[in-house]
Amino acid sequence: DAGVTQSPTHLIKTRGQQVTLRCSPKSGHDTVSWYQQALGQGPQFIFQYYEEEERQRGNFPDRFSGHQFPNYSSELNVNALLLGDSALYLCASSLGVGLENQPQHFGDGTRLSIL
Amino acid sequence: GNSVTQMEGPVTLSEEAFLTINCTYTATGYPSLFWYVQYPGEGLQLLLKATKADDKGSNKGFEATYRKETTSFHLEKGSVQVSDSAVYFCALSIAGGTSYGKLTFGQGTILTVHP
Repeated sequence: DAGVTQSPTHLIKTRGQQVTLRCSPKSGHDTVSWYQQALGQGPQFIFQYYEEEERQRGNFPDRFSGHQFPNYSSELNVNALLLGDSALYLCASSLGVGLENQPQHFGDGTRLSIL
Repeated sequence: GNSVTQMEGPVTLSEEAFLTINCTYTATGYPSLFWYVQYPGEGLQLLLKATKADDKGSNKGFEATYRKETTSFHLEKGSVQVSDSAVYFCALSIAGGTSYGKLTFGQGTILTVHP
């Protein structure tokens, strides 16, 4: 049973460039959330996708956008990269958006470095 | 808003010592509480959870009790091993409403266990 998979594992970009990160959720999961984890900090919520729509969004600028596909996989896009965007980007998947707090399962992340 | 505060770290212990990592929270609703662990170079793994007051989550010798009166969810283990060396994150999530499924994390506590 495959867990959450993310690609690529590492990425180096320069300021002003654009980047796309990819995530495949755990088998059976239909909800994907993205988090940014700066070095030495806890993860910060970026946004969540369910039924191909953005359901919630954290305190991140519009440069951060996403997409969810019919097979539940997801992409995170970041435009006009800044040095401060250097971080580990984590994808988490879960089942449904009902009242019960289903635990989120995390991938190993994509390490993004901005030069 | 919602927030999680963890004890200042890092924590360094000898093998077989007793571990406590303090976690307190502030929440606008009735949260579920989680402990996640992150090993070097990896994503977050769910360690344990509790969804209502006085619940005790437990896994792999770790325990934490949901204390609503003190808004706390302290992590404990009676005898740590070198393999427990990792970063530990306390987190909360609110069931229902606009914040559903969004995890709010503490800043993390680095645990190092020496033989």
